[in-house]
Amino acid sequence: DAKTTQPNSMESNEEEPVHLPCNHSTISGTDYIHWYRQLPSQGPEYVIHGLTSNVNNRMASLAIAEDRKSSTLILHRATLRDAAVYYCILRAGGTSYGKLTFGQGTILTVHP
Amino acid sequence: SQTIHQWPATLVQPVGSPLSLECTVEGTSNPNLYWYRQAAGRGLQLLFYSVGIGQISSEVPQNLSASRPQDRQFILSSKKLLLSDSGFYLCACSMIPTPTGELFFGEGSRLTVL
Repeated sequence: DAKTTQPNSMESNEEEPVHLPCNHSTISGTDYIHWYRQLPSQGPEYVIHGLTSNVNNRMASLAIAEDRKSSTLILHRATLRDAAVYYCILRAGGTSYGKLTFGQGTILTVHP
Repeated sequence: SQTIHQWPATLVQPVGSPLSLECTVEGTSNPNLYWYRQAAGRGLQLLFYSVGIGQISSEVPQNLSASRPQDRQFILSSKKLLLSDSGFYLCACSMIPTPTGELFFGEGSRLTVL
């Protein structure tokens, strides 16, 4: 599986935007970019995914570089409830299995 | 919408004892099911996945086994626990059999082996 690289931790203030980067220089043309987040003592929660174009949903936005070698998860206004570990994952296309490889992720701390 | 139930939520077991963790899914049929494990301070590791009743694939060699006796039931077992089996066990399902299908996770079962 192609690998992703994320910063170990990031900090933000409440109600400010947060940009969480992810590098995936070995991404293949059929890999989807997925983001999940995990709150303490809970299972991961799906946030957003994309292939080539930028994506928006009620939780966040995903900006994908033109060469697809990096992407950024954008939380437009961070809240205390957004404090979590954020995982950037590549999911291989051409398969119906949800086999995801979770790395260490980025620990996001949100200050009031 | 789908709901994933896991139990027990917390378990403390001695080394060498058996294990059974259960996962059931509501709100969907014929899901793909997964068992992940998360060791303390680490990322998630896929242990098993299943695309149907009685169909189990193992991702890593280990002391654990999985079974799927019913469409929406997934069980993780061990005959003799090791210290290294301690961790946070998460059951997950995907309901869209396409490459873009998202995973839905249960609340997890925290196992401590002493």
